[in-house]
Amino acid sequence: DIVMIQSPDSLAVSLGERATIDCKSSQSVLYSSNNKNYLAWYQQKPGQPPQLLIYWASTRESGVPDRFSGSGSGTDFTLTISSLQAEDVAVYYCHQYYSSPQTFGQGTRVEIK
Amino acid sequence: QVQLVQSGAEVKKPGSSVKVSCKASGGTFRRNIFYWVRQAPGQGLEWMGGSSPLFGTVNYAQKFQGRLTITADTSTSTTYMELSSLRSEDTAVYFCARVDSSAWDYYMDVWGKGTTVTVSS
Repeated sequence: DIVMIQSPDSLAVSLGERATIDCKSSQSVLYSSNNKNYLAWYQQKPGQPPQLLIYWASTRESGVPDRFSGSGSGTDFTLTISSLQAEDVAVYYCHQYYSSPQTFGQGTRVEIK
Repeated sequence: QVQLVQSGAEVKKPGSSVKVSCKASGGTFRRNIFYWVRQAPGQGLEWMGGSSPLFGTVNYAQKFQGRLTITADTSTSTTYMELSSLRSEDTAVYFCARVDSSAWDYYMDVWGKGTTVTVSS
């Protein structure tokens, strides 16, 4: 199984400041034949299902604010919130869909400082 | 706009089974894949497996082999997740999620609201 490790487990950021979450996979999730990274990011608020933010490591889902961006390739990925808003308080998960079983990172809790 | 509507909360005894439904509307059911993901209280997300209505195939995480059955009814655009031999560790919120593709290796873009399953004697 591919193990996904996120860091940090939690972070507190001031409103308007940048938040950065890292995700590392135990093996590459880059499919060489199409040069796509099979990596997504989700946001989950309390009592709600996860919401897709980013797929193919860097493609923003329709309707997601452009302050959210994804980067990275192979085994190392980053989710950046460029200017944290109050509504961004949530837990964020990375997810690999390269191979079964699909796996998630343990989650990173983002709070307001 | 695709929506996934899940069945209501369940309370089950250890050793019994639970069957949760997920009805899709607004999309092309047969051409999608539907996964099930669970979340134990205060914990992270765990992928369980899924079904492809188009090909009539399933894909289960090894951890749940023998206990998990996922089916799809194309006539009602509903997918079902049945978990047997329940134990307390199966207490969780169970989510269904859609993949807008007939390929297994794809991201989940629409999620149901979740069904709480409590296993308690």
